Amino acid sequence: QLHLQESGPGLVKASETLSLTCTVSGGSISSSSYQWGWIRQPPGKGLEWIGTVSSRGRTYYNPSLKSRVTISVDMSKDQFSLRLTSLTAADTAVYFCASEAIFEGSNWFDPWGQGILVTVSS
Amino acid sequence: SYVLTQPPSVSVAPGKAARITCGGNNIGSKSIHWYQQKAGQAPVLVIYFDSDRPSEIPERFSGSKSGDTATLTISRVEVGDEADYYCQLWDRSSDHRVFGGGTKLTVL
Repeated sequence: QLHLQESGPGLVKASETLSLTCTVSGGSISSSSYQWGWIRQPPGKGLEWIGTVSSRGRTYYNPSLKSRVTISVDMSKDQFSLRLTSLTAADTAVYFCASEAIFEGSNWFDPWGQGILVTVSS
Repeated sequence: SYVLTQPPSVSVAPGKAARITCGGNNIGSKSIHWYQQKAGQAPVLVIYFDSDRPSEIPERFSGSKSGDTATLTISRVEVGDEADYYCQLWDRSSDHRVFGGGTKLTVL
């Protein structure tokens, strides 16, 4: 059974770059049945898809964040990572990583990591 | 970009059925997935492919779709079902994943 765990700083400064890592256990990140996604949730608000990376490194990004986001995968460590540049207070959120199942032309997220709160300070 | 519309809130008495809707253009041609998020926790998948249920999810949770609206139905609602519920789809034309705005279910 897959388990995902986010890691990274809980506090970053405005204008700087956020780097988060998601470690996958209980399965291989190289599996072709899954892709790997990042989703965030500002305090008191809904879920926002950030982007997804395939095991082959192909990426898909939310157009509203595309200019600032890079998602990559490291199969040797069973990890995938998020990099978000030029941070502002609006990037303060809980960041979740999740496994994205691919099946018969649709994708869904299951399971999710527990999430990590990232606060952007001025 | 594609938009999924959910009511901000739904209230229901214990033991009754709750219905949470998710609307979108031409949603009938797309697969809808539903997540439950309890306070302070990560979302959990409760329905995928419109109406399939993960094995660990109670049979009280079901999904359906008609026209441009998908519906999550929770039968015999319990206090423990109080949570935020989100619908989600994959927009094939753009390769984007889209979440609805979420619905807060309150058990009266």
